[in-house]
Amino acid sequence: GQQVMQIPQYQHVQEGEDFTTYCNSSTTLSNIQWYKQRPGGHPVFLIQLVKSGEVKKQKRLTFQFGEAKKNSSLHITATQTTDVGTYFCAPRTGTASKLTFGTGTRLQVTL
Amino acid sequence: GAGVSQSPSNKVTEKGKDVELRCDPISGHTALYWYRQSLGQGLEFLIYFQGNSAPDKSGLPSDRFSAERTGGSVSTLTIQRTQQEDSAVYLCASSLQGEGEKLFFGSGTQLSVL
Repeated sequence: GQQVMQIPQYQHVQEGEDFTTYCNSSTTLSNIQWYKQRPGGHPVFLIQLVKSGEVKKQKRLTFQFGEAKKNSSLHITATQTTDVGTYFCAPRTGTASKLTFGTGTRLQVTL
Repeated sequence: GAGVSQSPSNKVTEKGKDVELRCDPISGHTALYWYRQSLGQGLEFLIYFQGNSAPDKSGLPSDRFSAERTGGSVSTLTIQRTQQEDSAVYLCASSLQGEGEKLFFGSGTQLSVL
């Protein structure tokens, strides 16, 4: 089955530092979505990437889809305490109907 | 409705009892998903509906778990003879279509089996 590794599992940064989480698949993906889950909350959609090498930005967040469409990253510039939460990638392969999620990266930001 | 609604928000039950969890998706959303999330863990896929049919039931942990969806809208997840390891947050999500569409999640049902 599809293996989706998300690294790191956990990262603790000081406010203002940058943060990156990576999602790596053993198979070629058709697209990938990213979600954020705040502590005690439910996942919220952030972005979807479809094209090889695609880069999308949302304010301080930059999302990339690898050239081979097997990996993706989420980079946050100058983290803030509001960035605290767990970030999940959700890759799709082919015509798979179910949407599975990566293991998630929990981000803690302190002042 | 304005969003995905799940009920109850909390359910405490005794081991061996049956429970029913309800999900009311966003109006017009044809795809509906159930996930399970244990404390501090990731999202475990349970089942997916497209309309009233479930093309993918591969994530259901055992035959104690079942789900149905009627009228292309409300879905219920039933757990029979609950076990302590069933304790988790059960999340429901809906989307316009099955593929390539973003999921909107409900707030979940926290299930505690004593």
